[in-house]
Amino acid sequence: AQSVAQPEDQVNVAEGNPLTVKCTYSVSGNPYLFWYVQYPNRGLQFLLKYITGDNLVKGSYGFEAEFNKSQTSFHLKKPSALVSDSALYFCAVRDGAAGFQKLVFGTGTRLLVSP
Amino acid sequence: KAGVTQTPRYLIKTRGQQVTLSCSPISGHRSVSWYQQTPGQGLQFLFEYFSETQRNKGNFPGRFSGRQFSNSRSEMNVSTLELGDSALYLCASSLEYGSGANVLTFGAGSRLTVL
Repeated sequence: AQSVAQPEDQVNVAEGNPLTVKCTYSVSGNPYLFWYVQYPNRGLQFLLKYITGDNLVKGSYGFEAEFNKSQTSFHLKKPSALVSDSALYFCAVRDGAAGFQKLVFGTGTRLLVSP
Repeated sequence: KAGVTQTPRYLIKTRGQQVTLSCSPISGHRSVSWYQQTPGQGLQFLFEYFSETQRNKGNFPGRFSGRQFSNSRSEMNVSTLELGDSALYLCASSLEYGSGANVLTFGAGSRLTVL
């Protein structure tokens, strides 16, 4: 069975500093990994995905994520945080061998960027 | 290009009633998935549809049901509502079905409150 862990409920960072939101995963087949962001009273917005290839994936709004197979991690990063990045971030995994669309989400990490 | 449209956005029901939620996918998208989001359980997969067929179902009681129409629009129904059904119900669509790389595009959700 697939699972995702986001060990931090909240991450606090000052504007202009780099940010990292952590994610580890477990899946029996090849992992397909995703990051989504949720703003208040909104649905989930897609940021980026890892399918195969380069371990560093670049996505929307300056975000990137690093895939590490040996550590089964897929951490979200941004070199310089903005106050507008404050939101709830979800990591998700799909088992590529299963043939389904189902995503298994982590519990979410609230990012708070202070001015 | 219009996004995923969910109606109604907000609704209040009482215990024992039933509710129907509607989802119109992005034009041309043929797969629809449903998720329940609660503070306690996070994002939980409900079901997914492609070509009017339910392809996968999450671990929810039979009170939760859904369907997809020939125009790819989808509805989900919850009968005999319980207090614990209060949640944000998110619909997502994707262009195709079956590829691990498919990105789910989410709607803003329907927030159901059960009194």
